[in-house]
Amino acid sequence: EVQLLESGGGLVQPGGSLRLSCAASGFTFSNYAMSWVRQAPGKGLEWVSVITGSSGSAYYGDSVRGRFTISRDNSKNTLYLQMNSLRAEDTAVYYCANTGYNYMQVYWGQGTLVTVSS
Amino acid sequence: IQMTQSPSSLSASVGDRVTITCRASQGIRNDLDWYQQKPGKAPMRLIYAASSLQSGVPSRFSGSGSGTEFTLTISSLQPEDFATYYCLQHNSYPFTFGPGTIVDIK
Repeated sequence: EVQLLESGGGLVQPGGSLRLSCAASGFTFSNYAMSWVRQAPGKGLEWVSVITGSSGSAYYGDSVRGRFTISRDNSKNTLYLQMNSLRAEDTAVYYCANTGYNYMQVYWGQGTLVTVSS
Repeated sequence: IQMTQSPSSLSASVGDRVTITCRASQGIRNDLDWYQQKPGKAPMRLIYAASSLQSGVPSRFSGSGSGTEFTLTISSLQPEDFATYYCLQHNSYPFTFGPGTIVDIK
């Protein structure tokens, strides 16, 4: 059974940092580019970042570039998102997924909530 | 690349034919997916590469288009189809979602 399990969300003060993790199982993790997508409360989906399967390349959305860093450890089948200089507008549910490519199957986690507030 | 969707919301009845349009600010070939999302759930891909039906998705869903204009059609709306629909362009980074179309019950 394919699973993507996000963790690391929680309450953080503005200007703080948080690291999200996404543990993958049930598929060959290293074969897929992996993305983070977020959704603010009551809002639409926002693509955040992607990293290629070999970790050779990473790309970011305009709103997080320079503050967030995506990485992966294929030996641990885990995707990460290091979030620094957090702002109130970063409050959202963060999903990991292999979205954005013409893979035959697309997998999404259940999401982890990040709340940035004082 | 900016993505727009129309309408932003619509009310329809079971059995209706529903069409949602997504437009890209520049040509994206057929590098577009359609997603369905229900409250509290992760999105689910319906269509990839503009017109390919995701395995397991009912055939009442179809997609068309290329370049800058794309369409998602539900041929006969079912009760389980009331949800929010998003397009996603993955032609160039950063990838971008459309703002969404809410389909609710008339």
